Amino acid sequence: NAGVMQNPRHLVRRRGQEARLRCSPMKGHSHVYWYRQLPEEGLKFMVYLQKENIIDESGMPKERFSAEFPKEGPSILRIQQVVRGDSAAYFCASSPLIGLNTEAFFGQGTRLTVV
Amino acid sequence: QKEVEQNSGPLSVPEGAIASLNCTYSDRGSQSFFWYRQYSGKSPELIMFIYSNGDKEDGRFTAQLNKASQYVSLLIRDSQPSDSATYLCAVRGAETSYDKVIFGPGTSLSVIP
Repeated sequence: NAGVMQNPRHLVRRRGQEARLRCSPMKGHSHVYWYRQLPEEGLKFMVYLQKENIIDESGMPKERFSAEFPKEGPSILRIQQVVRGDSAAYFCASSPLIGLNTEAFFGQGTRLTVV
Repeated sequence: QKEVEQNSGPLSVPEGAIASLNCTYSDRGSQSFFWYRQYSGKSPELIMFIYSNGDKEDGRFTAQLNKASQYVSLLIRDSQPSDSATYLCAVRGAETSYDKVIFGPGTSLSVIP
């Protein structure tokens, strides 16, 4: 039973390029979260999605960032026209339809470096 | 804005001692509480969750929850050097299915051999 799969593990982009980060949740999980972690900092919530729906995107910058979780295929976090400040680790977590004690399982993260 | 706060540390304890990690949260409606451990350069992994007031024990780990004080803690008994990591407190709000998990900034723990 594969865990949460993120790819690529490392991504280097020049300023102004686009970054596409992929997350395949665990089998049977219909909820996906994206978090950003800057060096030496905690996890900052970005967006929470269910299949074909954005539940909460309050943590996502209004410009240049978008996320989707289509009916088929992985969840995608897209960053357009990247800047150096976008360099961070981006973690995806998934959970099944949840109750009080349902945990979120994390992928290994994508480390984005903008040069 | 819902907030979760932790002492950033670093917290240093000698091997074999009890490490005590604390977390406070601002949203009184919060229902579920999680402790994750994150080693440097790795992804977070769940240690424990708790949603009822009181203590919950799992091996060397004990989570304590006090909803009236909006406080949750993690005790690590017989601390080992392998416990050295950053510990993240996470909180989920309402009882509905659709509330996000918010993380605190993490507390760095160093267990000295």
